[in-house]
Order: sequence, then structure tokens, then C-alpha cells
Amino acid sequence: DIQMTQSPSSLSASVGDRVTITCRASQTISNYLSWYQQKPGKAPKLLIYLASSLQSGVPSRFSGSGSGTDFTLTISSLQPEDFATYYCQQTYTTPLFGPGTKVDIK
Amino acid sequence: QVQLVESGGGVVQPGRSLRLSCEASGFTFSMYAMHWVRQAPGKGLEWVAIISNDGTIKYSADSVKGRFTISRDNSRNTLYLQMNSLRPEDTAVFYCARDNRMGHGYSYGFSNWGQGTLVTVSS
Repeated sequence: DIQMTQSPSSLSASVGDRVTITCRASQTISNYLSWYQQKPGKAPKLLIYLASSLQSGVPSRFSGSGSGTDFTLTISSLQPEDFATYYCQQTYTTPLFGPGTKVDIK
Repeated sequence: QVQLVESGGGVVQPGRSLRLSCEASGFTFSMYAMHWVRQAPGKGLEWVAIISNDGTIKYSADSVKGRFTISRDNSRNTLYLQMNSLRPEDTAVFYCARDNRMGHGYSYGFSNWGQGTLVTVSS
């Protein structure tokens, strides 16, 4: 079975910072990798699909890259509304989410 | 606009059953695969089950296999999750979600989510 890991598990950052979150799959998943943002008490929101495609309506400060087993989500300039938990998800086999990365205010 | 509204959650004793529903609107329901995802209190996201757009293909997570059944009624634009033999560890918010891709094939992620319905399994 495929395993998903994310690093870091949490990070503290300031408004305006460039933030990078890494996701790794235990075996190749091609580019079937999505990224979600979730705020407390809310449903997740799809940010990126197919590793690097920006979902409609998502700000361009979010970007994704990678293929195979290693992927990154980058927020180019962190905004106040971006403090949240971020999950990666592979859909190469039956869907599986990573454990999440919590981004909070430094 | 796309809307997904879950219902059917509540408090249930261990070993009992519960059926969740998810009413869809704002898109052609019969064109999309649908998913159930759950989130235990304070924990991460766990995919539960998928059903293809026409209902012919279903998969579920090992943690619920043999106990939970996903189904859909395309004439009613409604997705279901029948949950039997519930356990305390099934306590979670359950979300229905629409696949980002029409028709069959590898998922492109989950583009739309409901607000979630809380299931609490406790004696």
C-alpha cells in the first residue's frame, strides 16, 4: 500500500513569508497529487490538482510542483487567510490523504 | 452553484446502524464520481468510499470494508452511505465530496464538499 508523508507537521510563519510544504509518496503516483486547505470547523478546499494545476478561483500565490514520489506546495506570500492546515492527497490508487501540515502565525 | 448537503448524522450506540445522505444540486450529478470522507475529532482526513458516476464501480477503505456501503440514486441526485456495525472509532464528521473529473478514470481530486454531518458512536 502507498503511504503518504508530509513535512513539516507544523510551521510558524509571518504574513508575507514564502512557505513550502513537502509531500512524499512511498511509491510513484505519477502526478495524481492534490493539495487541500482546511480551516477549523470547515470542509477542505481543493487548491491544486494533478500536482501543479491551480483549481479555479484559487489565488495564484499557491503553486504546486513535483511528480513521481516528491511534491511541494508553495505559498509565495503568506496572507492572513492562509493560516490553516494543508493536506496532500494521492489518487493514483484508492485515495489517501497525507497527515497534514498546520500553518500558524509566528 | 454546486451544493452538497449531508444529513443523517447523530448519536448511535455501538453495533447499531445509520444511513447518511448527501443531496446534490447545481451540476449534473450523474456525470461525476462521488466520495465519502471522514474526520475524527482533532484528526486528519480519511477517505472512506467512492462510487462511479453510474454506480457500477465502488471501492471502500479497509477500515470500513464489509460494514459500510456506498450507493447513489441518480434520479434523486442523492448519495448514500449505509453504516452498519458501528464502532466508537467511527465517530467523525462525514463529508460527501464530488470528484473533480467527469466520467471514469483516475480522480483529479475532490472539487466540492458538503458541510459535513457528525456521527457519534457511544453507549
